[in-house]
Amino acid sequence: GAGVSQTPSNKVTEKGKYVELRCDPISGHTALYWYRQSLGQGPEFLIYFQGTGAADDSGLPNDRFFAVRPEGSVSTLKIQRTERGDSAVYLCASSPRNPGTGKYNEQFFGPGTRLTVL
Amino acid sequence: AQSVTQLDSHVSVSEGTPVLLRCNYSSSYSPSLFWYVQHPNKGLQLLLKYTSAATLVKGINGFEAEFKKSETSFHLTKPSAHMSDAAEYFCVVSEGAGNKLTFGGGTRVLVKP
Repeated sequence: GAGVSQTPSNKVTEKGKYVELRCDPISGHTALYWYRQSLGQGPEFLIYFQGTGAADDSGLPNDRFFAVRPEGSVSTLKIQRTERGDSAVYLCASSPRNPGTGKYNEQFFGPGTRLTVL
Repeated sequence: AQSVTQLDSHVSVSEGTPVLLRCNYSSSYSPSLFWYVQHPNKGLQLLLKYTSAATLVKGINGFEAEFKKSETSFHLTKPSAHMSDAAEYFCVVSEGAGNKLTFGGGTRVLVKP
């Protein structure tokens, strides 16, 4: 079946511009996560959604970053007034809920969006 | 707070020889632990996971890892490296109902013919 998809695969923008990154999770997965991977580092957690609501946004670096998931499926990560330091690969993952335990299982990752801020 | 330390940023092995990637974690609770692999220009793929069942966990492609609570370690091994194993490997810990993941810094594996 279809995996997690992210668009665009690459985004080049100028400092100060606004960007939107889109994530399409696996159908039926209730949890959706955003991570950021800077060059040479492991991914870092940004935010996760249970359904439509942001359950934990503690990883968002500042108020220029915002994410939504209005219908509990597709999510958009929005970055205002981009800075060169925002350049990174932004990863999205989704996860199904175990109906027996109520816990979330393995996260399935998309290929990422490579953001370059000039 | 949870954290993960991968003790080697780069590992170089010859094809057909064993691979050992070292990982130590810090967690306040009983953690779930994972190893993910990332091939160039590809998404993260789960190799294996530990979720408080057997301490020796077998994964895909011949990899396995052993959870040692006393040493707070979760080292990844493979008896015989293949050229296709060249990639970046991440040790990962998760905690809490939301399953938020904390990644180590990664170990880049080079396999020499």
